Amino acid sequence: IAGITQAPTSQILAAGRRMTLRCTQDMRHNAMYWYRQDLGLGLRLIHYSNTAGTTGKGEVPDGYSVSRANTDDFPLTLASAVPSQTSVYFCASSDSDSGHINEQFFGPGTRLTVL
Amino acid sequence: GQNIDQPTEMTATEGAIVQINCTYQTSGFNGLFWYQQHAGEAPTFLSYNVLDGLEEKGRFSSFLSRSKGYSYLLLKELQMKDSASYLCAVIEGSYQLTFGKGTKLSVIP
Repeated sequence: IAGITQAPTSQILAAGRRMTLRCTQDMRHNAMYWYRQDLGLGLRLIHYSNTAGTTGKGEVPDGYSVSRANTDDFPLTLASAVPSQTSVYFCASSDSDSGHINEQFFGPGTRLTVL
Repeated sequence: GQNIDQPTEMTATEGAIVQINCTYQTSGFNGLFWYQQHAGEAPTFLSYNVLDGLEEKGRFSSFLSRSKGYSYLLLKELQMKDSASYLCAVIEGSYQLTFGKGTKLSVIP
């Protein structure tokens, strides 16, 4: 693994189903993020984690949950998918320790369609 | 909260220079980033400004004026591969970035 990986690459999901998007990084970054990107709306933060064991809500958290059991993994769960959650989802990570500029590195994205 | 504005679309000619502007309003400021995003791909880091002035990196430069809440990204000697969306993002307080909606740049021959 080099950088950040996401799985699956794309998924078509029936409304009401549960879905977990996976994100793994091997850079030992302390901070991780989940964004959704929609046409005309740009990137919007869903949830974030500043360090393993902690999470926080972003701009659009409703309908999503996250966990951060260890440094490398940051899964995003849709408990009961709805069509408005159709989007491209990006995971990102950054090293926010003192002395770094906190540049975020992005995974390749997951394209999710909820029917 | 933050409000970040940038033009939706721009078109420029191969070999030319283009300036993409970004204005922001924030109650606290800890830096401004520019990212490049090609269609269907992930955003990639271009530049970071935290102090006023110009940061130059090859064909790309980024300028910041904190008092005016203003930044621009300058692309010189445009190439066809520069056709992409350019995202302005501001960091306020802790680690989270707030992104503008992006500027789609089309480079034409």
